Amino acid sequence: DTAVSQTPKYLVTQMGNDKSIKCEQNLGHDTMYWYKQDSKKFLKIMFSYNNKELIINETVPNRFSPKSPDKAHLNLHINSLELGDSAVYFCASSQDSGGNIQYFGAGTRLSVL
Amino acid sequence: GNSVTQMEGPVTLSEEAFLTINCTYTATGYPSLFWYVQYPGEGLQLLLKATKADDKGSNKGFEATYRKETTSFHLEKGSVQVSDSAVYFCALINNQGGKLIFGQGTELSVKP
Repeated sequence: DTAVSQTPKYLVTQMGNDKSIKCEQNLGHDTMYWYKQDSKKFLKIMFSYNNKELIINETVPNRFSPKSPDKAHLNLHINSLELGDSAVYFCASSQDSGGNIQYFGAGTRLSVL
Repeated sequence: GNSVTQMEGPVTLSEEAFLTINCTYTATGYPSLFWYVQYPGEGLQLLLKATKADDKGSNKGFEATYRKETTSFHLEKGSVQVSDSAVYFCALINNQGGKLIFGQGTELSVKP
């Protein structure tokens, strides 16, 4: 039973489209995160939610909008996709907002053509 | 600001060789330090961590010691296996609400 699961695993789309990536964790954790990994494997945090409240919001274009309907889910919606959005997006969760041990999903590889 | 710098990869070793992946950090205060591993096609997994100076984290034959005087957290393993081939990330958290700051990752390839 996967602890942190993301869907879809692969997403290929055209520039200008809107797409969503879903994330669910069954660990009972309070805090969830979205990270972006670029083509050089560099990982950077985008957002963090604690009990459905936004607590970290890095300098991310406002085309990216996270939504947390409950503490087990954190979805990422991206409007007007651009070529530079192509990356692997990882969801993660931790027991609390201290984030000392984070559990990662397998990633969603987004390719914008 | 906070940052993590790792040695550039790829690192290619023969099975049973000794591994060192260097990691240094810049941070205010007293961060917690981590090594995460990413196997091909998978997400990251925590490998080991240390939360204060002189702590040694260890797991699966890997170890790293939190050195405040040199601001380092080098990863070592005495005898690598082919199954250790992966990308290794050094990271820190510095009381910023769980915001993990990652190094650029070091790819390790172990040949039989």
